[in-house]
Amino acid sequence: DGGITQSPKYLFRKEGQNVTLSCEQNLNHDAMYWYRQDPGQGLRLIYYSQIVNDFQKGDIAEGYSVSREKKESFPLTVTSAQKNPTAFYLCASRTGTITDTQYFGPGTRLTVL
Amino acid sequence: GNSVTQMEGPVTLSEEAFLTINCTYTATGYPSLFWYVQYPGEGLQLLLKATKADDKGSNKGFEATYRKETTSFHLEKGSVQVSDSAVYFCALTNAGGTSYGKLTFGQGTILTVHP
Repeated sequence: DGGITQSPKYLFRKEGQNVTLSCEQNLNHDAMYWYRQDPGQGLRLIYYSQIVNDFQKGDIAEGYSVSREKKESFPLTVTSAQKNPTAFYLCASRTGTITDTQYFGPGTRLTVL
Repeated sequence: GNSVTQMEGPVTLSEEAFLTINCTYTATGYPSLFWYVQYPGEGLQLLLKATKADDKGSNKGFEATYRKETTSFHLEKGSVQVSDSAVYFCALTNAGGTSYGKLTFGQGTILTVHP
């Protein structure tokens, strides 16, 4: 089955640690996205990537970094510079034109201890 | 910039009741409009979409019509079930500027359906 996988499902971070969230897709989609979801709010864009070796900052990129070395993978690193990282993180991918449907992974819930 | 406003929630209904969740938007050009659904602890699933004015998206008994004159995309279902209990998000994307297809979301509406 084609789809998007995210790991781990739950992640706990201590103050001052960097952590990396995994996102893998086998849909052969070019574009990939990272969103952050906070309770009672919609999703906000952190980073996006149109193609391999290219990525752009979204609305709330401070304290986050990404890489896109392979088409199917788009890992997100939450650095110690992110002051309030506790949230639900969702990865998405898209094919076709930029107004086509984005498909989401199951998410990773990050908690700072 | 783009924005999406959803009706205040939460919404609580009895099974077989009629559902409406209001969604209005502000956007330049001709956005594509989406409804996504999120079940507890899960990612978002596409429920339906519409890409141009007067289009009606439909899926699993849910419908929404793209109304450009009122900049709205209200979600409706004639008879809800307990299994429809979830959070519903209205969202849009358009081709303008450097958005690269970024989805702009409403804040979400929690729906609870009682037997």
